[in-house]
This record gives sequence, structure tokens and C-alpha cells, in this order.
Amino acid sequence: EVVMTQSPAALSVSPGERLTLSCRASERVSSRLAWYQQIPGQAPRLLIYGASTRATGIPARFSGSGSGSEFTLTISSLQSEDLAIYYCQQYSSWPLTFGGGTKVEIK
Amino acid sequence: EVQLLESGGDLVQPGGSLRLSCAASTVTFNTSPMGWVRQAPGKGLEWVSSIKGSGADPFYADSVKGRFTISRDNSKNTLYLQINRLRAEDTAVYYCATGGHDFNPFDYWGQGTLVTVSS
Repeated sequence: EVVMTQSPAALSVSPGERLTLSCRASERVSSRLAWYQQIPGQAPRLLIYGASTRATGIPARFSGSGSGSEFTLTISSLQSEDLAIYYCQQYSSWPLTFGGGTKVEIK
Repeated sequence: EVQLLESGGDLVQPGGSLRLSCAASTVTFNTSPMGWVRQAPGKGLEWVSSIKGSGADPFYADSVKGRFTISRDNSKNTLYLQINRLRAEDTAVYYCATGGHDFNPFDYWGQGTLVTVSS
């Protein structure tokens, strides 16, 4: 099983700041890596797939990078509506696995 | 845009059974792989099961293998999850989503249905 490890577990950022979230896979997953946003009380939403491709309707302030086993999600200028938990997920091998999430709070 | 609507969640005693349904509004349902992801209260996301658009090649998490069965009726644009021998640790919101097979991410998600296992 590919273990996905996200860091940090939580962080507090001021509006307008740049934010970088990390995700590490225990094995190489090529670029089969997705990022999801879960706003409190809502279902998850796909942000990024293929490690770096934004999903339909996702604002340009969200970007993804990396390949192999090290990945990052960057929010270039944090907005108040970005308060959420962010999860990475590998879809390279079974079982599909998610990271534990990074909780983003607004200062 | 694809819309997914789950139903069937309920309060069930340990050892009981439920069938969850997910109705999809998409003309390409029969070519869309689908999956189930669950989230225990206050916890993260856990993949449960996935199936191809044709209904072939189901896969399951080890935690549910032998107790859960994924299936679909493409004539009704509906995905199912039969869950048997329920345990307390199966308590969660169950989401259906498109994707999750054939090297696809989960791109559209339903709002979820709550399964509570308790005596």
C-alpha cells in the first residue's frame, strides 16, 4: 500500500499570503496524484489531477507540482473562502490512498 | 455538470446490512468509472471501492473486502454499495464519486449519505 503523508497537519495564514502544502508518497506514483479541497460541512472537490492540471472551474491561484513521490499544492494568494482541509490522493495503484489532510485556517 | 445523489444511509445495528444508492445525472454514465469514499466523523477520507463503467473489475479496500459489494445499473444511471456485517467502525459519511478507476481521480462527488452503526 502506498502511504501518503501530508505536512503540515495544520497552518494558519493571513489573507493574501502564499501557501505551500506538501504531500509525500511512500512509493513512486508517477504523476497520478490529485488534490482535493473539503470546505467544512461540504463534500470534497477536485482541485488538481495529474499532479499539476487544474480541474474545471478551479481558480488560477491554485497550482500543483511534483512527480514521483514528492508533490506540492500552492495557493498563490489565500482568500477567506480557501478555509478548508486539503487532501492528496494517489491513483497509481490499489488500494487508492489519501493523505491525512492539511487544515488551513485563516488568521 | 454531473450531479450525484446518494441515498440509503441509516442507523443500523452491528451485524446488519444496508444498500446505498447513487443516482447520477450524466449521459456518459455507462462509460464512467465510479467509486465510493467514506469519512468517519472528524476523520479523513478513506477509499472504499471502485468499479469500471462496464461494471467490470471491482476493487475493494481490505477493511471492507468480503463484506461490501459494489455494483451498477447503467440502464438506471445508478451505482450501488451493498454493505453487510456492519461494524461500529463502518460509521461514516459515504460519498459516491465519478472516476477512481483506470487511473482516474475522483472528479465529481455527491453530498454523501450517513451510515451509523450502533446498538
